[in-house]
Amino acid sequence: ILNVEQSPQSLHVQEGDSTNFTCSFPSSNFYALHWYRWETAKSPEALFVMTLNGDEKKKGRISATLNTKEGYSYLYIKGSQPEDSATYLCAFKAGKSTFGDGTTLTVKP
Amino acid sequence: DADVTQTPRNRITKTGKRIMLECSQTKGHDRMYWYRQDPGLGLRLIYYSFDVKDINKGEISDGYSVSRQAQAKFSLSLESAIPNQTALYFCATSRQGATNTGELFFGEGSRLTVL
Repeated sequence: ILNVEQSPQSLHVQEGDSTNFTCSFPSSNFYALHWYRWETAKSPEALFVMTLNGDEKKKGRISATLNTKEGYSYLYIKGSQPEDSATYLCAFKAGKSTFGDGTTLTVKP
Repeated sequence: DADVTQTPRNRITKTGKRIMLECSQTKGHDRMYWYRQDPGLGLRLIYYSFDVKDINKGEISDGYSVSRQAQAKFSLSLESAIPNQTALYFCATSRQGATNTGELFFGEGSRLTVL
């Protein structure tokens, strides 16, 4: 079983704060690293598909970086808003996807 | 309408009962998956299927079985439900690509409670 770890487990920030979380994964046999956003009472939805070492992806105020050699990815949220409150999951893709336990972000107005 | 549809969305059952969760998709994807989510934990893979004739066990397949009836349909069965199978179950699909990097598309989830 592959070990995919996310930290922190939960995070509470004020509106306007910038924040970041980490996903660590095996550095061998890498195919892709996915970030998903999972809002309460909804289904997880893909944010980013990252495949190359050094990849940087951006969607609005959210961005992610990838280091496959050392086996980690960072997700950054700039100027957090209450609507960013969700659980953020990363998944290591090698045929099938192995998920971390997620980071739950709560943004207080 | 959702591209990946799960039924039922909620089910309460008793220990020992047989339960089937169904998943159908209109995305035309070859690959389908069943995941389980427990509070505080990520998604754990139960079974997956890369095409109609292919079925594979995931991390936590004990106590579960699956059937891939067609490209668009993948059902999960609990032959004799037990309380620790109480969880949120997700079906997901992905496309088969040359680089095998495609993301998952999830259904809306099926919440199962076993009393």
